[in-house]
Parts: sequence; C-alpha cells; structure tokens
Amino acid sequence: NAGVTQTPKFRILKIGQSMTLQCTQDMNHNYMYWYRQDPGMGLKLIYYSVGAGITDKGEVPNGYNVSRSTTEDFPLRLELAAPSQTSVYFCATIRGGTEAFFGQGTRLTVV
Amino acid sequence: GQSLEQPSEVTAVEGAIVQINCTYQTSGFYGLSWYQQHDGGAPTFLSYNALDGLEETGRFSSFLSRSDSYGYLLLQELQMKDSASYFCAPPLNRDDKIIFGKGTRLHILP
Repeated sequence: NAGVTQTPKFRILKIGQSMTLQCTQDMNHNYMYWYRQDPGMGLKLIYYSVGAGITDKGEVPNGYNVSRSTTEDFPLRLELAAPSQTSVYFCATIRGGTEAFFGQGTRLTVV
Repeated sequence: GQSLEQPSEVTAVEGAIVQINCTYQTSGFYGLSWYQQHDGGAPTFLSYNALDGLEETGRFSSFLSRSDSYGYLLLQELQMKDSASYFCAPPLNRDDKIIFGKGTRLHILP
C-alpha cells in the first residue's frame, strides 16, 4: 500500500517548456488535490477533483491544467513554464473529510 | 470564504511545553485537523478534533472550542526533532476544498 505517489521528485525546466507532474493513489479516495508551496510559505490550492471526470480550480490555477480520467491518477500539467512556477508541488487525498495524505512532493525549478 | 490564522513562528526550549494557536474565521466551524511538516518533507497528519475539549496523543495534545472558532496544538517535553512547521486545517467543507493555515514554524533551542 503505497498511499500517494508523485513523480518526478525533482525537475529543472527551462522557461517556456512544458511538463506533467504525475500523482497516483492506491487508497481509492475520491477527493484529490494539488498544492504548491513556496519556500517558508503555506500550501496554496491549485486544482482539485472530487472524482473521476470532475475537476475544479483552486486559489492559484493560472498556468496549470489537470485531468482526472481514473480514481487513481490526477496529473498536473504545466504549460509554458515561468520562473514564478518554481515551487514544491504536493498532491494529496483525503479520508473521511478530515485526514489528508500527501505525496512526497515534486521540487520544480524553472530557469 | 475561509480564513485561518496562526502565528508565523514560535520558539521554545528543549524539554519545555509550547502551544500553537489557530483561529478560524468562517461560519459553521465544526472541527480542526493538525499537520506536521519537517523541512524538505511532506505534511503528515497529526490529529483531528471533532468535539470540544482536549485530546491527548502521547506528547502531543490538541484542543478545540467550536463556539470560539479556536483551537491549539500543545507539544510537551519538546525534542529537537519537533522542529518543524505545523498547520491547522478545518475538515472538508461544502465547497470540497481543504484549506490550510499558513503554518507556524517551531524553533527549538537546546
């Protein structure tokens, strides 16, 4: 039982490049979330999903896209990477509405 | 919308007790979760208070007052490994979002 798995763990992108951050969970949770965390700061919600085929914007969705074709997978797409997207990205699920489980994070640098 | 307030930093001495507060500005405040995040790591769940009062789990306790929209995390017998950031978060609400407080950075002095 792996929980929430994110890949890659580290990535350096050049300005204007695109990439997909992968997130998969094996807990059969319906709700999944993407957050970004800048150094010394809190977690900002980018996108979330309440089930396969359903996604919605969070606080900071600009520059990102998501899809949710299965319960297990919730990839985050960055188009035209910008230095402002340098951050640590966390994927999370929630159990019982009260206990969130996080992936180990993806550390992204845009240069 | 929701708003959670936490002190940005707290400093305490090894072996002491420290309290990290969280106040919640919204209607229908009905529970509070706490998470710990070490530098370079992911947040991990510590506790959830559904009812008013103090709940104890080892060296960590969490308190909730729903009428005051207030809660706190109490850490006893502080150890250096407790140096981390601590976040509070309400339970999933009607708009399906999990919103976290900005976090409290706990510094522990030897």
